[in-house]
Amino acid sequence: ETGVTQTPRHLVMGMTNKKSLKCEQHLGHNAMYWYKQSAKKPLELMFVYNFKEQTENNSVPSRFSPECPNSSHLFLHLHTLQPEDSALYLCASSQGSGTKETQYFGPGTRLLVL
Amino acid sequence: AQSVSQHNHHVILSEAASLELGCNYSYGGTVNLFWYVQYPGQHLQLLLKYFSGDPLVKGIKGFEAEFIKSKFSFNLRKPSVQWSDTAEYFCAVCGTSYGKLTFGQGTILTVHP
Repeated sequence: ETGVTQTPRHLVMGMTNKKSLKCEQHLGHNAMYWYKQSAKKPLELMFVYNFKEQTENNSVPSRFSPECPNSSHLFLHLHTLQPEDSALYLCASSQGSGTKETQYFGPGTRLLVL
Repeated sequence: AQSVSQHNHHVILSEAASLELGCNYSYGGTVNLFWYVQYPGQHLQLLLKYFSGDPLVKGIKGFEAEFIKSKFSFNLRKPSVQWSDTAEYFCAVCGTSYGKLTFGQGTILTVHP
């Protein structure tokens, strides 16, 4: 399954570093999502983009900055993160952003903040 | 707002046993319901979904789920599990007015051969 790819797969960063996560979908979808999956917690929706426009910011701290240059690419820029931000970050895409849409997930980026 | 509760964190079964994973949600309006599955080393993928109509929906690999509106439940079932069903299962809800997909905590299913 290579419909949604994410790089890097693993990332270790210090609290003063700046890094970016990349997501690319090859499905021709118009909506893309960032989720955070922490240990023993449900997936938390972070951001939603539809036709490159951000339609949802789920009260995410400003140290996470998304970017969607086109419908196929989604980035998550990280700066001055905290150890509690260590988690699996999942990207997903769907044809549209409606409530019946099936979301297709990438493999995730495992992030460790030291 | 909406929330999803999956009662079992880890279920362990032997092959051929029957499976039922619980999922309850809280949301006052119309909902769309999903079960996603993540096999070891693979991506999250859709198992089945319910929007309307027959409350018993069938998905891939012999799974089915029943929507019981009065109980706010959408339990996942399979009559006879296989070793290859070992995975983590996530229930998810999207309220039609809320518009965002909310996931439960997930249930890890381990099937022993």
